[in-house]
Amino acid sequence: ELKVEQNPLFLSMQEGKNYTIYCNYSTTSDRLYWYRQDPGKSLESLFVLLSNGAVKQEGRLMASLDTKARLSTLHITAAVHDLSATYFCAVDMGNFGNEKLTFGTGTRLTIIP
Amino acid sequence: KAGVTQTPRYLIKTRGQQVTLSCSPISGHRSVSWYQQTPGQGLQFLFEYFSETQRNKGNFPGRFSGRQFSNSRSEMNVSTLELGDSALYLCASSFAGLAGVYNEQFFGPGTRLTVL
Repeated sequence: ELKVEQNPLFLSMQEGKNYTIYCNYSTTSDRLYWYRQDPGKSLESLFVLLSNGAVKQEGRLMASLDTKARLSTLHITAAVHDLSATYFCAVDMGNFGNEKLTFGTGTRLTIIP
Repeated sequence: KAGVTQTPRYLIKTRGQQVTLSCSPISGHRSVSWYQQTPGQGLQFLFEYFSETQRNKGNFPGRFSGRQFSNSRSEMNVSTLELGDSALYLCASSFAGLAGVYNEQFFGPGTRLTVL
């Protein structure tokens, strides 16, 4: 059974600091996604990583995928308050695309002014 | 282009009742996946429908069922509700037509089910 683990579960950061969220998974997959969820809201897609060594960047967030280590990271640079949210990684185990995702536990990120 | 819509957005039921949730995918999308989100278990995959057929299934009891109509709209049903069924139920749609080909997936706003 696929296990997807994120750490840390909770992260409190000061504005302006850098930090990394880690996502480890237990079986071979070269498709991994990162999502953001604000309280009471749905999931917003952040990054789609489809191959080993994939790196994507958007603003202060950068995601990477190492399929050999079964590890993805989400790096936050110079955090700002607007980044406060819960972040999920998800591994794609569907046979046809991304129709069957296994999610990590989530990392609740709080940015402190 | 309209996004994924889910109805109702909020629902309150009592134990033992049944409930039906609806999901309308983005026009042209043929795959609809359902997920349950609870504080204790996190986000879990329920099932996925493609062209009116259940193509993938998660590890949920038979009380959870679904179907998809010819227009790709999907419904999920939970019978004999339990307190633990209280959750946010999310659906997601994608084209998902070809094996191994990535198709962008879009999530709906969710239905918040409370079981009393």
